[in-house]
Amino acid sequence: GESVGLHLPTLSVQEGDNSIINCAYSNSASDYFIWYKQESGKGPQFIIDIRSNMDKRQGQRVTVLLNKTVKHLSLQIAATQPGDSAVYFCAEKVTGGGNKLTFGTGTQLKVEL
Amino acid sequence: DAGITQSPRHKVTETGTPVTLRCHQTENHRYMYWYRQDPGHGLRLIHYSYGVKDTDKGEVSDGYSVSRSKTEDFLLTLESATSSQTSVYFCAISTGSNEKLFFGSGTQLSVL
Repeated sequence: GESVGLHLPTLSVQEGDNSIINCAYSNSASDYFIWYKQESGKGPQFIIDIRSNMDKRQGQRVTVLLNKTVKHLSLQIAATQPGDSAVYFCAEKVTGGGNKLTFGTGTQLKVEL
Repeated sequence: DAGITQSPRHKVTETGTPVTLRCHQTENHRYMYWYRQDPGHGLRLIHYSYGVKDTDKGEVSDGYSVSRSKTEDFLLTLESATSSQTSVYFCAISTGSNEKLFFGSGTQLSVL
């Protein structure tokens, strides 16, 4: 889930296992969601996005699930690899609400060999 | 990083001095953004631009100004730097206001 303080929540998984990272978003009017990956010392990297007219979208090894009823977003990473170790955060936006993407503070994913 | 170059990558300056950060893109995207990233906070929008000479404020714009005289360049200026502006600054671009953002590698700014 998302952090409310200075310490990021951490998810530790074994290499080869599936990872699920969760995000509770705040605005029921949000209709566009993005997942980003950020490695240490680098800028956020786009992973996958989803609009509110969908509840699931798949990419390469990643799946995003959207549950609008409970305002919950999740990122599933299949067959997690050491290169997946990073901070993952979600962002939400209201279409037509200016250019304000609201970012979560992130979850640290650690992949253990 | 999606054709985005930020300069400098690192900067140390003193309180009260002016600082300008530069973002250069080669993607010809219309929208450009400046964000700051601090521990305990998500990325926060400082200013953004939706075209040459068209800019608007974000949620943390106090103490910052921007300029966009060319499509490819977006400058962020701290007129008189303060210690609270110590942060990592990211530039981002997008093709539209409801499209995904692509980020640069960031500028680590320390104000002493």
